[in-house]
Amino acid sequence: GNSVTQMEGPVTLSEEAFLTINCTYTATGYPSLFWYVQYPGEGLQLLLKATKADDKGSNKGFEATYRKETTSFHLEKGSVQVSDSAVYFCARADSNYQLIWGAGTKLIIKP
Amino acid sequence: EPEVTQTPSHQVTQMGQEVILRCVPISNHLYFYWYRQILGQKVEFLVSFYNNEISEKSEIFDDQFSVERPDGSNFTLKIRSTKLEDSAMYFCASSEQGITDTQYFGPGTRLTVL
Repeated sequence: GNSVTQMEGPVTLSEEAFLTINCTYTATGYPSLFWYVQYPGEGLQLLLKATKADDKGSNKGFEATYRKETTSFHLEKGSVQVSDSAVYFCARADSNYQLIWGAGTKLIIKP
Repeated sequence: EPEVTQTPSHQVTQMGQEVILRCVPISNHLYFYWYRQILGQKVEFLVSFYNNEISEKSEIFDDQFSVERPDGSNFTLKIRSTKLEDSAMYFCASSEQGITDTQYFGPGTRLTVL
């Protein structure tokens, strides 16, 4: 099938902790992969993307590497801040112009 | 920085009424999309639009839904006869190119059907 699977939330961490949010996908071929973030009360914002295998997307201290061997695109950040509290969505491009979305992972950072 | 805009930010309507949600995509973009997110649930694809026609639509996008690009800047989603289960956040997005390109999202319209 065609799907994106993310780790369930909420994920609760203390400030400055290391973050990993797992994402795996199923697809034929090598679709572009994305992480979007949704801050409380706001819309969806692109956080980072990778368009081919072994690419690393990065932005605002977040990173994710496109791993075709494990069909994964895990999101990481070395030291999270309270302002990173949001819902994070992993998504992949579909051949028919749409994005296929994971369920979202709510991240809560405590001071 | 150019951005996608949507109006209204919140629309309340009675069941059975028609609503039109409006979007202004980024000006040089060629591909347009509508997604929805029911509260607390996954984002769902509704429809994509390119070259003045629908490229792809999901099962959700039934005969009650339609999209239009009435002029060179607006992109609208019409729901002909709203149902309670249409209550959701509706996001418009646009991209310069197609499937490998980044889709930029508007802030969303929260539709509440009473």
